[in-house]
Amino acid sequence: LAKTTQPISMDSYEGQEVNITCSHNNIATNDYITWYQQFPSQGPRFIIQGYKTKVTNEVASLFIPADRKSSTLSLPRVSLSDTAVYYCLVVPYSGNTPLVFGKGTRLSVIA
Amino acid sequence: DTGVSQNPRHKITKRGQNVTFRCDPISEHNRLYWYRQTLGQGPEFLTYFQNEAQLEKSRLLSDRFSAERPKGSFSTLEIQRTEQGDSAMYLCASSLVTSSSYNEQFFGPGTRLTVL
Repeated sequence: LAKTTQPISMDSYEGQEVNITCSHNNIATNDYITWYQQFPSQGPRFIIQGYKTKVTNEVASLFIPADRKSSTLSLPRVSLSDTAVYYCLVVPYSGNTPLVFGKGTRLSVIA
Repeated sequence: DTGVSQNPRHKITKRGQNVTFRCDPISEHNRLYWYRQTLGQGPEFLTYFQNEAQLEKSRLLSDRFSAERPKGSFSTLEIQRTEQGDSAMYLCASSLVTSSSYNEQFFGPGTRLTVL
């Protein structure tokens, strides 16, 4: 599975847009980029998944350039409740394999 | 609440004791995963089941660890002769494997184990 690299931590003020970039240079043709969110003392929660270009849902947007060697998770107008660890994962489309997590990006939202 | 549940939420034990955790997946989910997470790290895969069959075990799963899913519903994870290095959050996740679309893994709240 492709290894991912993302910043260890980020800080943001409430109301700002936050962009978390992840690099996955060795992504395979059949792999998708998937992001999970984890709050303290909870299990991870699926946020968004994409293959290329842009995907948007009610929580976030995911931008993937044509070479797919990186991706950017965009959180619009963050609030204090968005403080969490965000994990970038590369998974086969079905997701029917054990997930391989890195250390993730710890986002701290400040009032 | 029909999400994944885990019991107990917290467990404190002395080194050398045996402990058992339970995971109740989302009803009708045929796949169940166990992960372990230590402080500051992402979850690490331990093992997973398709219905009652254990399909894969990680190298992290030493001989002291055993997992079961006897009827293809709930699962148990037992650690024998616990060591201080076993202290971690043990997470369970379940998913419904289908032939189409992404099969999201839904995680439970975890069981935090502290070995004294």
